[in-house]
Amino acid sequence: SQTIHQWPATLVQPVGSPLSLECTVEGTSNPNLYWYRQAAGRGLQLLFYSVGIGQISSEVPQNLSASRPQDRQFILSSKKLLLSDSGFYLCAWSPGTVYEQYFGPGTRLTVT
Amino acid sequence: DQQVKQNSPSLSVQEGRISILNCDYTNSMFDYFLWYKKYPAEGPTFLISISSIKDKNEDGRFTVFLNKSAKHLSLHIVPSQPGDSAVYFCAASLNNDMRFGAGTRLTVKP
Repeated sequence: SQTIHQWPATLVQPVGSPLSLECTVEGTSNPNLYWYRQAAGRGLQLLFYSVGIGQISSEVPQNLSASRPQDRQFILSSKKLLLSDSGFYLCAWSPGTVYEQYFGPGTRLTVT
Repeated sequence: DQQVKQNSPSLSVQEGRISILNCDYTNSMFDYFLWYKKYPAEGPTFLISISSIKDKNEDGRFTVFLNKSAKHLSLHIVPSQPGDSAVYFCAASLNNDMRFGAGTRLTVKP
């Protein structure tokens, strides 16, 4: 069966510090991968998605970036965090041929 | 722009009664609609979906209705159980683009 992992579960970082969140998927190959953010009291905002290694599409211009160095690995990064980057970050995957997406446990990021 | 809207941030129902969660969308090109359930500090879990070529899909206690002319979908939970208490997100999809509503917090009281 397929599983999706995200780490860390929680993170507290000062403004201006770098960020690296990692997501890996097991039990499938060539998945579509997604990064979402849920800000307090808001829905899920799609940040990036990837249909293959090195292929990244950005939905919202911001100081975040994403990379997909391996087929089942998706990384969300920032060089300098802003207060507004605080939120709940979710990684998701889909088989690519169906619409359902399956989410990881999420990372709670607090920028202080 | 909010292409998917859930206008009720919260809903409270009694155990055993029906829960109806509503969702509206603006883009008529969306061709697939989904409901996700989310507990605090966890990722959303897929609940039920419906293709735009259908107007109803049922799975146990959960039924999703789609009204394309009104660009409206709803999730019915019958009978509601305390374990159903969670935040419910509706989502609309076109190709790889999925848009989520802001969520409705459902509380089912025993």
